[in-house]
Amino acid sequence: EAQVTQNPRYLITVTGKKLTVTCSQNMNHEYMSWYRQDPGLGLRQIYYSMNVEVTDKGDVPEGYKVSRKEKRNFPLILESPSPNQTSLYFCASRARGGLTDTQYFGPGTRLTVL
Amino acid sequence: RKEVEQDPGPFNVPEGATVAFNCTYSNSASQSFFWYRQDCRKEPKLLMSVYSSGNEDGRFTAQLNRASQYISLLIRDSKLSDSATYLCAVSHGSSNTGKLIFGQGTTLQVKP
Repeated sequence: EAQVTQNPRYLITVTGKKLTVTCSQNMNHEYMSWYRQDPGLGLRQIYYSMNVEVTDKGDVPEGYKVSRKEKRNFPLILESPSPNQTSLYFCASRARGGLTDTQYFGPGTRLTVL
Repeated sequence: RKEVEQDPGPFNVPEGATVAFNCTYSNSASQSFFWYRQDCRKEPKLLMSVYSSGNEDGRFTAQLNRASQYISLLIRDSKLSDSATYLCAVSHGSSNTGKLIFGQGTTLQVKP
């Protein structure tokens, strides 16, 4: 089954404690991205990757890092989380080749930073 | 001004009603347009792409108006199961970055 998986699904942490949210896809997609979703603001892109070792900033990259060492994985790293990073996070992937290709989203990670 | 704007609603309609949502975009270079459906804070799922000539999928019709820079989604014969948040997404497509810009979503509540 084609899917994007994220872990953990729920996380409560404290300010400053480094965390990583994993994302993995089994569709051999080149393109992956991370979004955060906040009430009234919709989905905003944090980072994206067009292929292995190729990453770039989205609209709201501050406070986040990513890496793309393997095609299937695209972890999101918060080196020093702060309360304003409390949000719902989605990982997404699609085949490179045009925007008509369906973008698949992971199930989401609900993060609370105290 | 946001690049992609939607009326957040909520739209409360009875079963069987026809409801339409609009989504405006500000960048005239936008090339690709989509409607996504999102249930109760779950992941968005592609409902349909929006083509220049308009397209229909069962009870759902999507249209694009480039002159006025908006896309629309029409749902006929609303079902209870149509209750969800509908997100429009737009991309510029000038480079193959695949970046989609989403509206904040329109909430639909279909009542018996």
